[in-house]
Amino acid sequence: AQSVTQLGSHVSVSEGALVLLRCNYSSSVPPYLFWYVQYPNQGLQLLLKYTTGATLVKGINGFEAEFKKSETSFHLTKPSAHMSDAAEYFCAVSDDTNAGKSTFGDGTTLTVKP
Amino acid sequence: GAGVSQTPSNKVTEKGKYVELRCDPISGHTALYWYRQSLGQGPEFLIYFQGTGAADDSGLPNDRFFAVRPEGSVSTLKIQRTERGDSAVYLCASSQTGAREQYFGPGTRLTVT
Repeated sequence: AQSVTQLGSHVSVSEGALVLLRCNYSSSVPPYLFWYVQYPNQGLQLLLKYTTGATLVKGINGFEAEFKKSETSFHLTKPSAHMSDAAEYFCAVSDDTNAGKSTFGDGTTLTVKP
Repeated sequence: GAGVSQTPSNKVTEKGKYVELRCDPISGHTALYWYRQSLGQGPEFLIYFQGTGAADDSGLPNDRFFAVRPEGSVSTLKIQRTERGDSAVYLCASSQTGAREQYFGPGTRLTVT
């Protein structure tokens, strides 16, 4: 069975500061990992994904994440926060045994202070 | 091109009523997923279609929930005898066969009073 744990339901940073959103996963087979962003009253937008290959993946809006198998982690980072980054972020896992069905974490709300 | 669309965007219904929620996936996407998102939680898988058939309906909470995709494109999620606990945002996503990337619609917010 798959599971995702997002450490910290709320993260607050100052504008220009480093953003770090934590995600740990559990999967019995090689995982596919995703980060999504959700703005109020909108659907989920894919930020980035890891399937195979390079473990450091870059996404939209300056975000990146590193797949660390030994730590079962896929933390999301951005060097410098912008006010427009304020949103809810979801980490998700799927694998080839589940036909693309994704299991999501409970989300982290990012607040950016001016 | 057009993304995933869902109608209605909001639905308020009384306890015990029947509702239908519609999802129009991206053209050419053979895979379609329904998720339910309760307040303060991540999306929870309900059902997955590959073409016209439900390949995995293990997430449907009980037999009051049913979904169809008769022509392999538009899908309808049907909820009978709605309960207040069904109140949530229902999300639809689609993807190409074999792809891992899902594209989500804006969701339908269902409120059962």
